[in-house]
Amino acid sequence: AQSVTQLDSQVPVFEEAPVELRCNYSSSVSVYLFWYVQYPNQGLQLLLKYLSGSTLVKGINGFEAEFNKSQTSFHLRKPSVHISDTAEYFCAVSQGGSARQLTFGSGTQLTVLP
Amino acid sequence: KAGVTQTPRYLIKTRGQQVTLSCSPISGHRSVSWYQQTPGQGLQFLFEYFSETQRNKGNFPGRFSGRQFSNSRSEMNVSTLELGDSALYLCASSSNSGTDTQYFGPGTRLTVL
Repeated sequence: AQSVTQLDSQVPVFEEAPVELRCNYSSSVSVYLFWYVQYPNQGLQLLLKYLSGSTLVKGINGFEAEFNKSQTSFHLRKPSVHISDTAEYFCAVSQGGSARQLTFGSGTQLTVLP
Repeated sequence: KAGVTQTPRYLIKTRGQQVTLSCSPISGHRSVSWYQQTPGQGLQFLFEYFSETQRNKGNFPGRFSGRQFSNSRSEMNVSTLELGDSALYLCASSSNSGTDTQYFGPGTRLTVL
């Protein structure tokens, strides 16, 4: 079985500052990794995913993440945040070979302050 | 292309009742998965359907069930509702490719009184 730990439940940051949201996973098999964002009263939107290949993954809205197999981490970064990035962010993992059954972390609320 | 749609968006029921939620996937998508989101337990996988067959199931009691129709639309049913079933129920669709992304609908907010 796999699990996901998001180390920070809340991250406040000032507008135009960089941000890193941390995610660690555990699994005994190869995995696929994802970051989703959820705005209030909405469903989940995919930011980026790692399936294989380059460990640096670029996503939408200027976000990127780096897969580190030795550290079992998949941290999400953005060099300069905007007020509109305020939302909850979820890291998720699925067993390699299928991206359909996701195990989610508990989420990180990112609040961008003016 | 239209996204995943879920109906109804909001629902209020009382304990002991049953409820049916509906999900229409993106056109051409044949896999539909359901997730429950609560403040206490977070996002948890309920089940996945493909070609009218349940392919994967999460760790939920038998009160939670689902089905998929030949047009890939899916329904989930919860019988004998409990207060703890209050949650946002999210549906996601994807193609049959193992690497394909899951696209989520806006969810159905179920409140059990």
